[in-house]
Amino acid sequence: QVQLQQSGPGLVKPSQTLSLTCAISGDSVSTNSAAWNWVRQSPSRGLEWLGRTYYRSKWYNDYVESVKSRITINADTSKNQFSLQLNSVTAEDTAVYYCVRSGHSAWFDYWGQGTRVTVSS
Amino acid sequence: DIQMTQSPTSLSASVGDRVTITCRASQSISTYLNWYQQKPGKAPKLLIYVTSSLQSGVPSRFSGSGSETDFTLTISSLQPEDFATYYCHQSYSTPYSFGQGTKLEIK
Repeated sequence: QVQLQQSGPGLVKPSQTLSLTCAISGDSVSTNSAAWNWVRQSPSRGLEWLGRTYYRSKWYNDYVESVKSRITINADTSKNQFSLQLNSVTAEDTAVYYCVRSGHSAWFDYWGQGTRVTVSS
Repeated sequence: DIQMTQSPTSLSASVGDRVTITCRASQSISTYLNWYQQKPGKAPKLLIYVTSSLQSGVPSRFSGSGSETDFTLTISSLQPEDFATYYCHQSYSTPYSFGQGTKLEIK
C-alpha cells in the first residue's frame, strides 16, 4: 500500500520560498512506472496541477506555465521522497498543497494528506 | 491547454436517487478522464479512471462513461456517504486539469 506523508511549514512570508516534502512508502521515487506530482487547491483556483517529476532512465520534470519560472520539483532517492519549492510567493499562492502519485495513464491514485499553506506577513 | 467544465456545479438529491454528473473537455481527450470524490478536510479520492474503470474498493454503484469530449459519472442509488464534491480530471496531456467540481448535497 502506497502512502505519501507531507511535511513543511504552514505559514510563509510574501516574497519568500514555499518548501514542502513528500515522503514515499510502499513505492520508489525512481520507479519507471509512476510520476510524482504536486497539486494545490484554493477556493479561487480550484484544483490546480503544478507539476511532476519522474524517472525513465533519466529524470524529467513538467510544470504548469503559470508557475514555471518559480517552481522546482526534485526527487531525493536516498530518502525516497520528493519536494516542492515555489519561489517569490504571494497571497495568490495560499492554498492546500497535495503530493500525488500517478501511474502510466496519469490518473492520481495516491494522495498525501495535504498541507494548508498561508502566505502572510 | 485543455479546459474541463462540469455540470451542474451543485446538485440536491435524496438517498436512493440516481444521479448523473457531466464533464466536458475543450478538446478531445480520448478516454483519459478520471473522477474523484472529495469530502471536507480530506484529499480527493480516485473513484474511476480512464473513463469507466472502477478503482479498487469503490462500490459498483459508481460508473463512468463517455469519450472524446463528453463524459458522465453516474451514481445508481445514492447512499448517505456519497454526499461530497466530485471532480473530473483529464490526464490526456500536461498541464493536467480538473473540472470546477460538483457539490452533491442532501435534499
